[in-house]
Amino acid sequence: AQSVTQLDSHVSVSEGTPVLLRCNYSSSYSPSLFWYVQHPNKGLQLLLKYTSAATLVKGINGFEAEFKKSETSFHLTKPSAHMSDAAEYFCVVTSGSGGSNYKLTFGKGTLLTVNP
Amino acid sequence: DAGVTQSPTHLIKTRGQQVTLRCSPISGHKSVSWYQQVLGQGPQFIFQYYEKEERGRGNFPDRFSARQFPNYSSELNVNALLLGDSALYLCASSFRGGAGETQYFGPGTRLLVL
Repeated sequence: AQSVTQLDSHVSVSEGTPVLLRCNYSSSYSPSLFWYVQHPNKGLQLLLKYTSAATLVKGINGFEAEFKKSETSFHLTKPSAHMSDAAEYFCVVTSGSGGSNYKLTFGKGTLLTVNP
Repeated sequence: DAGVTQSPTHLIKTRGQQVTLRCSPISGHKSVSWYQQVLGQGPQFIFQYYEKEERGRGNFPDRFSARQFPNYSSELNVNALLLGDSALYLCASSFRGGAGETQYFGPGTRLLVL
């Protein structure tokens, strides 16, 4: 079985303060992990991904995430929030080695609000 | 380069009808995946196709079907529509559809079932 839990449905921060969006996962296989962002009325955009290389992954717009296998976590962070970061964020886990066993699971999303 | 395109952008159907949604992947991408996003929730995986073969399937009833054409474009069909099928349907493409590959998403088709 495979699942993703985003621990907060809504996170509110002030502009210039750190951002932490939490994600835990479970997977029977060696997973790949992603964070996507969805701005209102816009498509999903990749922020960053982990695919069994370095455990600290840097993404676009100053975001980064750390893969912690022992904690089955992949939390997303940013040192200083910007107003343009306000959006819905999704943690995603995929697995499969080709053939017909591809699986992909989205978390339920975390809405990030940035206050001036 | 053009991104993933989907048509139509919006669609209104009534219960019991059938609908076909279309997707064109990024040039050079051979894999297409389909997702259903109900308002206020994360997308749910429906299908993945690679080289015209189904590679993965989510927990959706048999009313949902899809196919991929030789030019790698894809159609999603939903039969016997229910009110609960109202959602944003997203298509994504990637080069081979591997688990570690980035998915590039289209803008979606918003389906309303009355």
